[in-house]
Amino acid sequence: AQSVTQLDSQVPVFEEAPVELRCNYSSSVSVYLFWYVQYPNQGLQLLLKYLSGSTLVESINGFEAEFNKSQTSFHLRKPSVHISDTAEYFCAVSGTDSWGKLQFGAGTQVVVTP
Amino acid sequence: GAVVSQHPSRVICKSGTSVKIECRSLDFQATTMFWYRQFPKQSLMLMATSNEGSKATYEQGVEKDKFLINHASLTLSTLTVTSAHPEDSSFYICSARDGGLADYTDTQYFGPGTRLTVL
Repeated sequence: AQSVTQLDSQVPVFEEAPVELRCNYSSSVSVYLFWYVQYPNQGLQLLLKYLSGSTLVESINGFEAEFNKSQTSFHLRKPSVHISDTAEYFCAVSGTDSWGKLQFGAGTQVVVTP
Repeated sequence: GAVVSQHPSRVICKSGTSVKIECRSLDFQATTMFWYRQFPKQSLMLMATSNEGSKATYEQGVEKDKFLINHASLTLSTLTVTSAHPEDSSFYICSARDGGLADYTDTQYFGPGTRLTVL
């Protein structure tokens, strides 16, 4: 079984400042890791994922996350946020024995202010 | 991109009645669909996994007779909350994937969710 911990429930950040959202997981098997974003009144959208290979993965809108096996972490970062990045962000994990079933963290609400 | 819709977006019902929630994949065929439940300020909890044409697989602790799931076609899955009670009030979210269960790296596409309130 897997579990996910998102350490921050809410992260306020000023526009153009950097942001880091923390995610730690536990699992007895190898994992796949995901970040999803949920904008107000919309469904979750995949932001980026780590399946294998390079431990640093990037999204098309400037986010990146790094898989750190020794620290069992998959933190999400963006060097400069926009107002439009205001959303809820969910970290999720799937074990290689889980047939694609996702375990989600509790989510982190990012509020970007001018 | 792939779109998943849910209907209704909100529903209020009386205790003891049954409520059906639909989940549709609009522009792809969803071999596998998942149903989640989300409580306020908490994460999504997987309730069940369904493959088109076969019985759903429920997670531990989820009552299969309470939450009936039907995945009759490659674009539609339904969740029926039977004899609903106030404790069933929650946000129900579905997701769909066009790979089979073995293709676990495929992206899941999520619906916008259904808010159920049982009075």
